[in-house]
Amino acid sequence: SQTIHQWPATLVQPVGSPLSLECTVEGTSNPNLYWYRQAAGRGLQLLFYSVGIGQISSEVPQNLSASRPQDRQFILSSKKLLLSDSGFYLCAWTSGRADEQFFGPGTRLTVL
Amino acid sequence: SQKIEQNSEALNIQEGKTATLTCNYTNYSPAYLQWYRQDPGRGPVFLLLIRENEKEKRKERLKVTFDTTLKQSLFHITASQPADSATYLCALAPLGNKFYFGSGTKLNVKP
Repeated sequence: SQTIHQWPATLVQPVGSPLSLECTVEGTSNPNLYWYRQAAGRGLQLLFYSVGIGQISSEVPQNLSASRPQDRQFILSSKKLLLSDSGFYLCAWTSGRADEQFFGPGTRLTVL
Repeated sequence: SQKIEQNSEALNIQEGKTATLTCNYTNYSPAYLQWYRQDPGRGPVFLLLIRENEKEKRKERLKVTFDTTLKQSLFHITASQPADSATYLCALAPLGNKFYFGSGTKLNVKP
């Protein structure tokens, strides 16, 4: 069966510090991968998605970036965090047919 | 601009009643519309998918309708239970690989 992992589960970082969040998927190959951010009481904002290794599409211009160094690994990064980067970050995958998405457990990021 | 609207106010209903949640959208022509359940501090969990050429889809106590003329989907939970209390999100897939989510409606089912 397929599983999706995210780490860390929670993170508290000072403004201006770097960020690296990792997401890995097991039990499937060539998934479409997604990063979302959810602010408190809000919906999911699509940040990045990837249909293959090295292929990244950005939805919202900001100080975040994403990379996909391996087929089942998706990394979200920032060189300098802003207060507005606080939120709940979710990684998700789908098969190539763009049907249901499977979400990871999420990372709660607090920027102070 | 593109918009997906769900009622931001919580829906409070009594156990055993039918809960109806609404998802309205503008400026999209979605190929799919999906509904997810999200519990506090957790990632969303997929419930149902309905395609643009389908009017209605059912799964156990869940029913989804999709009206592309009104640009609206209704999500029904019949015989609701306290365990159904959660936030329900709708998502549109207008173009292939991308999904756009509404802000969700919180459902409270009281015993």
